[in-house]
Amino acid sequence: GNSVTQMEGPVTLSEEAFLTINCTYTATGYPSLFWYVQYPGEGLQLLLKATKADDKGSNKGFEATYRKETTSFHLEKGSVQVSDSAVYFCALSDIGGYQKVTFGIGTKLQVIP
Amino acid sequence: GAVVSQHPSRVICKSGTSVKIECRSLDFQATTMFWYRQFPKQSLMLMATSNEGSKATYEQGVEKDKFLINHASLTLSTLTVTSAHPEDSSFYICSASPLVQSYEQYFGPGTRLTVT
Repeated sequence: GNSVTQMEGPVTLSEEAFLTINCTYTATGYPSLFWYVQYPGEGLQLLLKATKADDKGSNKGFEATYRKETTSFHLEKGSVQVSDSAVYFCALSDIGGYQKVTFGIGTKLQVIP
Repeated sequence: GAVVSQHPSRVICKSGTSVKIECRSLDFQATTMFWYRQFPKQSLMLMATSNEGSKATYEQGVEKDKFLINHASLTLSTLTVTSAHPEDSSFYICSASPLVQSYEQYFGPGTRLTVT
């Protein structure tokens, strides 16, 4: 079956530091890949997505590239802000018309001033 | 746009009672709604998928008689935890998709259920 593995947190960074959150996946076929973010007290929000190999998703300074050869979709940001503090979920969904989404465990990011 | 609400946000109930959680899409019609459960320090686990007007499809290991799902309209789905027990205590999250065969899902803020 499908699975998503991401680094456990919490990850604590100083403001303006470089962020990487690793994510690897196992899937049959060619899934779409996502990063969701959950701010305190709020629901999950789609941060970025990539639907095929070598696609790069980007949003709000965050980037992730769909790497089929390494089955990875690492999240990066060049300079984090305190407002980026949240839980980040890597996820995938099957292609084929069914929206079933498999999530990673979530990585809590804390950015300190 | 694409806001999903859940009610209540927190609920505490006694063992043996039933609890209903509502999930509403506020500004779009949701063809499909999903219910997830999240344990502490664990990922979201899909419980069931519901399409408006039809029976929900439950994931393996989820008791359909315990977790009753109703998707009576294009903007409302309800999850009823029947005869709740302490092990049902968890964070329940719904999501809604505006279109069939779309990967876009919009998530609600979640409901914290505590069974005493």
